[in-house]
Amino acid sequence: QKEVEQDPGPLSVPEGAIVSLNCTYSNSAFQYFMWYRQYSRKGPELLMYTYSSGNKEDGRFTAQVDKSSKYISLFIRDSQPSDSATYLCAMSATDAGNNRKLIWGLGTSLAVNP
Amino acid sequence: KAGVTQTPRYLIKTRGQQVTLSCSPISGHRSVSWYQQTPGQGLQFLFEYFSETQRNKGNFPGRFSGRQFSNSRSEMNVSTLELGDSALYLCASSFRTGDRGYTFGSGTRLTVV
Repeated sequence: QKEVEQDPGPLSVPEGAIVSLNCTYSNSAFQYFMWYRQYSRKGPELLMYTYSSGNKEDGRFTAQVDKSSKYISLFIRDSQPSDSATYLCAMSATDAGNNRKLIWGLGTSLAVNP
Repeated sequence: KAGVTQTPRYLIKTRGQQVTLSCSPISGHRSVSWYQQTPGQGLQFLFEYFSETQRNKGNFPGRFSGRQFSNSRSEMNVSTLELGDSALYLCASSFRTGDRGYTFGSGTRLTVV
């Protein structure tokens, strides 16, 4: 079993829809939770960063962390065609050598249709 | 300001050859990490350098190596290329190890034939 599970999709929604992207994890040591967006032929770019359980909002994006269920979500409101990309979750913990270990989900491919 | 620059963008090599990829981090960033991205395995961590020292290493064979120079630029080398090394190789930089998030380059697409 992978430490981080993410449904690869693809997910196809009409413009204006609310999108929900999710990741589950098994390692309770994960402390930091991130969402990255990756456009075709580009590297990932950081969208959201959260530390504690709860919600964090940034414009049309809301990141939600539920540490008790080991489950994180990214919600996109009023989705736009420009949101079409692959969304990757990433989580980190500090290992015994005090090095940050970052583990990634496989990414969910999202297409927002005009 | 300039982002993370990776060169070359595309590369085709033959099995058994070696390859060197280059990464120039954002000015002021001293930590550089390398990742391999494939459709089946996703992003897999190769190694991280800070101040010319390797601080962290993933689970890749010794054919994969890297280094960082005093100006924070980094190179990674893959020797004795195998077909399975075909992937997008991404470099990411940050101010220091353990920073929240990274800034990624656009990657080098390596195809081994």
